[in-house]
Amino acid sequence: DAKTTQPNSMESNEEEPVHLPCNHSTISGTDYIHWYRQLPSQGPEYVIHGLTSNVNNRMASLAIAEDRKSSTLILHRATLRDAAVYYCILRDGYGNKLVFGAGTILRVKS
Amino acid sequence: EAGVVQSPRYKIIEKKQPVAFWCNPISGHNTLYWYRQNLGQGPELLIRYENEEAVDDSQLPKDRFSAERLKGVDSTLKIQPAELGDSAVYLCASSTIKGLQETQYFGPGTRLLVL
Repeated sequence: DAKTTQPNSMESNEEEPVHLPCNHSTISGTDYIHWYRQLPSQGPEYVIHGLTSNVNNRMASLAIAEDRKSSTLILHRATLRDAAVYYCILRDGYGNKLVFGAGTILRVKS
Repeated sequence: EAGVVQSPRYKIIEKKQPVAFWCNPISGHNTLYWYRQNLGQGPELLIRYENEEAVDDSQLPKDRFSAERLKGVDSTLKIQPAELGDSAVYLCASSTIKGLQETQYFGPGTRLLVL
């Protein structure tokens, strides 16, 4: 499985945008970029995924670099409820299993 | 729509005792997963079911772990006998296809403590 690299932790102020980076220099042409997050004492939840183009949904935006070797999850206005571990995961186009790394712990300050 | 249901939420047992976890996936989801999550780490896949068939159990420690998914709906994960190192959160997930990619929906997990 292609690997991803994320910072161990990040901190943000409430109601400010947050940019969570992910490096995936060994990404293959068929790998999709998935983001999940895990709130305290809960199971992971799907956030967003993309292949080449930037993606938006009600939770977040995903910006993918032109060479696809990195991506950024954008939370437009962080709230206290966004404090979680965020996982960046690569999956090939044939839907292989999710392989979680340690993720990025996001702390949101009020 | 109800999410993935797991029980119990917490379990404390002594080593060498058996333990079982139960999972009810989202209605209509044919694929079911069991993961184990150690403290400070991401979840690791134990087994994946397509309907009632285990299609990937390569990471399941088969000497003490077993799983079943009778009738292709609910699933049970069992450990017998439990060891101290089995203390972890056991997560169940079920999945559907969203935008040509599979999306997994996780339950809240069962937190196991082996003393």
